[in-house]
Amino acid sequence: AQSVTQPDIHITVSEGASLELRCNYSYGATPYLFWYVQSPGQGLQLLLKYFSGDTLVQGIKGFEAEFKRSQSSFNLRKPSVHWSDAAEYFCAVGLTNNAGNMLTFGGGTRLMVKP
Amino acid sequence: GAGVSQSPRYKVAKRGQDVALRCDPISGHVSLFWYQQALGQGPEFLTYFQNEAQLDKSGLPSDRFFAERPEGSVSTLKIQRTQQEDSAVYLCASSFRSGAGGYEQYFGPGTRLTVT
Repeated sequence: AQSVTQPDIHITVSEGASLELRCNYSYGATPYLFWYVQSPGQGLQLLLKYFSGDTLVQGIKGFEAEFKRSQSSFNLRKPSVHWSDAAEYFCAVGLTNNAGNMLTFGGGTRLMVKP
Repeated sequence: GAGVSQSPRYKVAKRGQDVALRCDPISGHVSLFWYQQALGQGPEFLTYFQNEAQLDKSGLPSDRFFAERPEGSVSTLKIQRTQQEDSAVYLCASSFRSGAGGYEQYFGPGTRLTVT
């Protein structure tokens, strides 16, 4: 069965510093990969996704992620963190490219931003 | 346009009570998903509808959980005889095929269920 691992439960960075959140997946074929952000009391907002093609994908709010097949990773990055980025981040994998593409999520990484 | 909406946003139930959680998907989205998110964890898949057909219910944790989408739009997740382990946030998502060629899921704000 497929699985998603986010090794870092909590990360604290200073405002203006760069950020990298790690995501590793386990699946036999090329998955469809997503990053979502969840603010307290809110649902999940899609930051970016990888379906195929260019392995470096750009998302909203200045985030990007790189798919590395050899490492089974899809790490999320941002060059300069803003205080408003403090939230929980979830990596997710979908196995199929059809309408019934259920997502398997990692356990999440909580990002805290120091002023 | 309007996103996915869910109601109620918060629900407190006594153990043994039945509850019904509602999801209004984005208009025109034929696919609808329910997920359960326990405290401090990532969401876990419960069930999937395509229009009114429930095509996958493999994630429903017990036969106390029941979901329906009778007209292919609004969906209701019902939990009978609630137990404390049912306490979680229940997320609904609707899906469409994006211009990039894959399917994206858009989530509602969730219903936080607390069973006392």
